[in-house]
Amino acid sequence: EDKVVQSPLSLVVHEGDTVTLNCSYEVTNFRSLLWYKQEKKAPTFLFMLTSSGIEKKSGRLSSILDKKELSSILNITATQTGDSAIYLCAASGGSNYKLTFGKGTLLTVNP
Amino acid sequence: NAGVTQTPKFQVLKTGQSMTLQCAQDMNHNSMYWYRQDPGMGLRLIYYSASEGTTDKGEVPNGYNVSRLNKREFSLRLESAAPSQTSVYFCASRRDNSYEQYFGPGTRLTVT
Repeated sequence: EDKVVQSPLSLVVHEGDTVTLNCSYEVTNFRSLLWYKQEKKAPTFLFMLTSSGIEKKSGRLSSILDKKELSSILNITATQTGDSAIYLCAASGGSNYKLTFGKGTLLTVNP
Repeated sequence: NAGVTQTPKFQVLKTGQSMTLQCAQDMNHNSMYWYRQDPGMGLRLIYYSASEGTTDKGEVPNGYNVSRLNKREFSLRLESAAPSQTSVYFCASRRDNSYEQYFGPGTRLTVT
C-alpha cells in the first residue's frame, strides 16, 4: 500500500523565519511528487518534482526531491502571515496517475 | 473559465438520508476524482473516473456511489448517510498526461 508521511504535523513560527517541511514516501513505481497549499478552501498547486536533485523555485518557496532517500522538502524563506496554511504533499506511482496524499503540515506564521 | 465547480457548498443531513454531491469541470479533462478530507487525515480518495463511462474505487469507497454523467460532470451519491461521513468533500480533475490535479472549492457535509 502506498504511503506518504509528512513532518512536522504542525509548526508555529514568527514572520521572517525560514521553515522546512518534510515529506517521505513509499510508492510503488514512483513517478512524481507534488506539493499543494491549502488555505480556507481548495488545495492549490505549488510544485511538481520528478527528477532528483533539481530544485524548483517560486518566489520565497522552493522544493527539492531526493529519490535515494525517498523524500522531499519544501522551504519557505522570510515567512509572512499569508503563508499560514496546510501544506500537502502527494506522490504518484504506476500508470494510473492517482495521488496518495500525506496528512499535511499546518503552518502558522505569527506577526 | 470556472475550473472545477461543486454544489452544494454546505449540507446538513440526518442519519439515513440520501444526497448527491455535484461536480463539473470546464477544462475538457478526462480524469476526475472525489476525495474526502477529515481533520488530521489529509485527502483520501473515494472514487475516480479515468474517462467518461468508467469509474473505479479509491481508498475509502464504502457507503458511496458515483456517476460519470458525461465528460464534464462527476457526481457522488450517499445512499444512506452516516455520522462517519461527516467531512469536507473535494472534487478534482486532471489534464491528460499530467499529474497535477485541479480542485473544486469543496462541500462541507454534516450528518447528525
